Amino acid sequence: QKEVEQDPGPLSVPEGAIVSLNCTYSNSAFQYFMWYRQYSRKGPELLMYTYSSGNKEDGRFTAQVDKSSKYISLFIRDSQPSDSATYLCAMSAFYGNNRLAFGKGNQVVVIP
Amino acid sequence: NAGVTQTPKFRILKIGQSMTLQCTQDMNHNYMYWYRQDPGMGLKLIYYSVGAGITDKGEVPNGYNVSRSTTEDFPLRLELAAPSQTSVYFCASSQGQGNNQPQHFGDGTRLSIL
Repeated sequence: QKEVEQDPGPLSVPEGAIVSLNCTYSNSAFQYFMWYRQYSRKGPELLMYTYSSGNKEDGRFTAQVDKSSKYISLFIRDSQPSDSATYLCAMSAFYGNNRLAFGKGNQVVVIP
Repeated sequence: NAGVTQTPKFRILKIGQSMTLQCTQDMNHNYMYWYRQDPGMGLKLIYYSVGAGITDKGEVPNGYNVSRSTTEDFPLRLELAAPSQTSVYFCASSQGQGNNQPQHFGDGTRLSIL
């Protein structure tokens, strides 16, 4: 079983729709959970950052963490064409060298 | 705000050639990392450094070397380029020693080995 699973299948949605992305993981030591957004030919940029279980909201973006199910989600409300990008989940344990385990990434296309 | 700067942006190498990918950060971060990103495969850690003079291997270190003589710079060296090293390489940095410090990435070096 891979440490972090993220279905890489491309996702196309019409403008204004809700985008739902998720990752599952196997390492129960993970405590910090992140979502990165990566535009074409650019480096990943941090979008959302949460610690342990719970929800975090930032504008149109909501991150959810369910540690009991080892499942994290990212929701994008009122999606815009500018949200078209690849979204990568990442996570790390409380101890150690801040090593991030990444999912494969989801390509999202928002159609005007 | 420069953040993490990588050079060059693109490079084509012949098999067996060597090169150094440069990475510098101006945020005074202690931790620095090198990743490679292959299509559909996510990011894999090559090497990392927790401070000047200290480096350690990540998941896929074979064929690469690093050094960290200053806080700002963390170059990645390919000694004998192989087609399997065709990839996009990202450098990242983070502040402090805790795992609650998110990593900041450069825009990558696209490397093709023919």
